[in-house]
Amino acid sequence: DVKVTQSSRYLVKRTGEKVFLECVQDMDHENMFWYRQDPGLGLRLIYFSYDVKMKEKGDIPEGYSVSREKKERFSLILESASTNQTSMYLCASLGAEQGISGANVLTFGAGSRLTVL
Amino acid sequence: GQNIDQPTEMTATEGAIVQINCTYQTSGFNGLFWYQQHAGEAPTFLSYNVLDGLEEKGRFSSFLSRSKGYSYLLLKELQMKDSASYLCAVMDSNYQLIWGAGTKLIIKP
Repeated sequence: DVKVTQSSRYLVKRTGEKVFLECVQDMDHENMFWYRQDPGLGLRLIYFSYDVKMKEKGDIPEGYSVSREKKERFSLILESASTNQTSMYLCASLGAEQGISGANVLTFGAGSRLTVL
Repeated sequence: GQNIDQPTEMTATEGAIVQINCTYQTSGFNGLFWYQQHAGEAPTFLSYNVLDGLEEKGRFSSFLSRSKGYSYLLLKELQMKDSASYLCAVMDSNYQLIWGAGTKLIIKP
């Protein structure tokens, strides 16, 4: 099974703090993603990466940056946290799903619930 | 713009059958996914449809009609553990996933 591990399940930070959210996958997948999830809204893509040191903006990149120094690790950085960044953050890795021909499937980490005070 | 619509909430009875609908308007189509998400947990993959028709996997089935921009997830013999949110997502022509807001399914005894 693909495992996607997020370093922190719950974080509480203060406005203006720098926040690092770490994500590691163990299946040698090239594509990794960061989403945020808020009540009543679909998952919104923040950034994704299709290779080491490569990154692409998603739908809502403002206020965020990312780092992909190693294939297995994709980090999300909030340079100066704000209260409107209080959310659930989900990391995902994209790869072939066993038994599903032709489909690449997202596998998610457990999520990091960030509260910014 | 791109849009995925699914009901916000549904209620069903343990042992019954429920159908969760998803309609979509996207720039191109490269597959439709259903994910299950229990409260406070990460979404987990349920099914994938890229051709028209029904895909069955145990108690869960997923149907796709590309001409109608429509899919449904059918859950049979409902169990209390099926109480969760069900997320519909479409992969567009750029291979980006467009997500619906999710349907919260409440199962009553």
